[in-house]
Amino acid sequence: QQQVKQSPQSLIVQKGGISIINCAYENTAFDYFPWYQQFPGKGPALLIAIRPDVSEKKEGRFTISFNKSAKQFSLHIMDSQPGDSATYFCAASIPGSARQLTFGSGTQLTVLP
Amino acid sequence: NAGVTQTPKFQVLKTGQSMTLQCAQDMNHNSMYWYRQDPGMGLRLIYYSASEGTTDKGEVPNGYNVSRLNKREFSLRLESAAPSQTSVYFCASRSRGMNEQFFGPGTRLTVL
Repeated sequence: QQQVKQSPQSLIVQKGGISIINCAYENTAFDYFPWYQQFPGKGPALLIAIRPDVSEKKEGRFTISFNKSAKQFSLHIMDSQPGDSATYFCAASIPGSARQLTFGSGTQLTVLP
Repeated sequence: NAGVTQTPKFQVLKTGQSMTLQCAQDMNHNSMYWYRQDPGMGLRLIYYSASEGTTDKGEVPNGYNVSRLNKREFSLRLESAAPSQTSVYFCASRSRGMNEQFFGPGTRLTVL
């Protein structure tokens, strides 16, 4: 059972454009929603994260929009650059000592020069 | 500060062989995790250790065992490898009270 659904599977954007990746979750107990960025041959690294008590969080060119009632959240990459080409994963976790992450299926982003 | 390290980087096994994937972290983190990454399926949690001395099953534990050797090290063992276990395996760690998990560089395993 996939508790976090991510779309699209792949995305091609021109340099300078806006990249948007969407995720939807089912478990209302989730209280932490990170986005991870992964380059080929590397492990995932935290990009930006949000808690459900805020509707938006911005860090540089990266913004998370969060809609608690719809159980959806999205990553927006403004002014996309070729260096942003990577795989992006949304995730969610529930409170507790282990803080296990449930990941979406990933989006492969290609930014054309 | 090496962060999270994993060995080996690559491994090829034959069906039925056994092996242990090693993971170590030097950040004094309490929690450690093992994930597998397969195309189109994201990362799925195999086992985790919330703190030294405890281990628990994740989403896909069948065919695997783990050992939290000490606070630094968390190993994953395949007793009898199967082609379905061909995957990229990632270890991660997290500090108590913090949410961010830090990932290692991964082990690419092929089972023939």
